[in-house]
Amino acid sequence: GAGVSQSPRYKVAKRGQDVALRCDPISGHVSLFWYQQALGQGPEFLTYFQNEAQLDKSGLPSDRFFAERPEGSVSTLKIQRTQQEDSAVYLCASSLDSNQPQHFGDGTRLSIL
Amino acid sequence: DQQVKQNSPSLSVQEGRISILNCDYTNSMFDYFLWYKKYPAEGPTFLISISSIKDKNEDGRFTVFLNKSAKHLSLHIVPSQPGDSAVYFCAPLNSGNTPLVFGKGTRLSVIA
Repeated sequence: GAGVSQSPRYKVAKRGQDVALRCDPISGHVSLFWYQQALGQGPEFLTYFQNEAQLDKSGLPSDRFFAERPEGSVSTLKIQRTQQEDSAVYLCASSLDSNQPQHFGDGTRLSIL
Repeated sequence: DQQVKQNSPSLSVQEGRISILNCDYTNSMFDYFLWYKKYPAEGPTFLISISSIKDKNEDGRFTVFLNKSAKHLSLHIVPSQPGDSAVYFCAPLNSGNTPLVFGKGTRLSVIA
């Protein structure tokens, strides 16, 4: 694939449901990042993987948020017991290594009703 | 406490003129500065970057200037084109701590 692919593009869930967001990074990219973008704000860092290792999860807002990248490629961001404040665009980015520019997917727009 | 500030939420420029987008930061550990461009319903696209060892980087119509002592950088677009209309994010990082730190963005409108 040419770029970072995220699915689904849009997700609507009821408060309290669990959701899973998928990211397919650019092939060969070692570093993978998740960001959360609220309306009118810039993206905010959630978590970072280098290959399958989650090196930084300091941006995850609560223990309801969980991310994994078990084989060092595809990553999943899971949100349990969703709340209205989780409504945002979730962006995934990948880079060749940690000091190269990050390439972003088009994001998943999550709406919690 | 915002580490990155883009104080102009929006900017309108006539086609053919220069667009200047500004960014201020507070963290002196930032050593690599990136600009991203974002169209609606798309992810940010990398535009241009500058390392802290430089004070200018140019790529076609786009030039980024860095003033480390003032903790200020700016993106110049000349000549501006209608296709440049987008939201521009300043995103520095500390290369020893890799996540990008984004400003809130500036919405540029280039009027034909």
